[in-house]
Amino acid sequence: NAGVTQTPKFRVLKTGQSMTLLCAQDMNHEYMYWYRQDPGMGLRLIHYSVGEGTTAKGEVPDGYNVSRLKKQNFLLGLESAAPSQTSVYFCAVGAALRETQYFGPGTRLLVL
Amino acid sequence: GQSLEQPSEVTAVEGAIVQINCTYQTSGFYGLSWYQQHDGGAPTFLSYNALDGLEETGRFSSFLSRSDSYGYLLLQELQMKDSASYFCAVRDRSSDYKLSFGAGTTVTVRA
Repeated sequence: NAGVTQTPKFRVLKTGQSMTLLCAQDMNHEYMYWYRQDPGMGLRLIHYSVGEGTTAKGEVPDGYNVSRLKKQNFLLGLESAAPSQTSVYFCAVGAALRETQYFGPGTRLLVL
Repeated sequence: GQSLEQPSEVTAVEGAIVQINCTYQTSGFYGLSWYQQHDGGAPTFLSYNALDGLEETGRFSSFLSRSDSYGYLLLQELQMKDSASYFCAVRDRSSDYKLSFGAGTTVTVRA
């Protein structure tokens, strides 16, 4: 029972490259979230999903796309990475919008 | 939107008590949560207040005053392992109950 896992743990990209971050959960929760965390700032919501096949924009969605083809997986894509996207990305899951969120270990992304 | 304010840093000695205050501004307040994060690791849930008053969970307690738009997290009998960042987060009806996080308070516990 791994809970929430994220792949990869760390990645270095060059400006303009693309990549996909994977979040996987075995908690059978409907709601999944992608946040970014920058130094001295709290977590900011990028995109979220309220169930398989659905996605919605959060606070800072520009430059990112997401997909939720399977209930247990939530993918975050960067089509053309920019240095401003250097950050730590956290995935979270929850049973409902009003319920506690459980976070994955994070993906550290450096864009040069 | 929502805005939250909490102190950036707090330092205390082992065995002491630390109170981390959080003030917020929201248009449709639903609840206040607290999360702990060690060294950039996964944030973990500590407590949740939807109603006024004190919630106690072991050495940690959380308080909410909805009329004052204010809450705090109380850490008692501080231990070295309590050195971490603590985030308050509001849940707001006007944003579909999504969480909005404060910038975090770094607590450093000294021997």
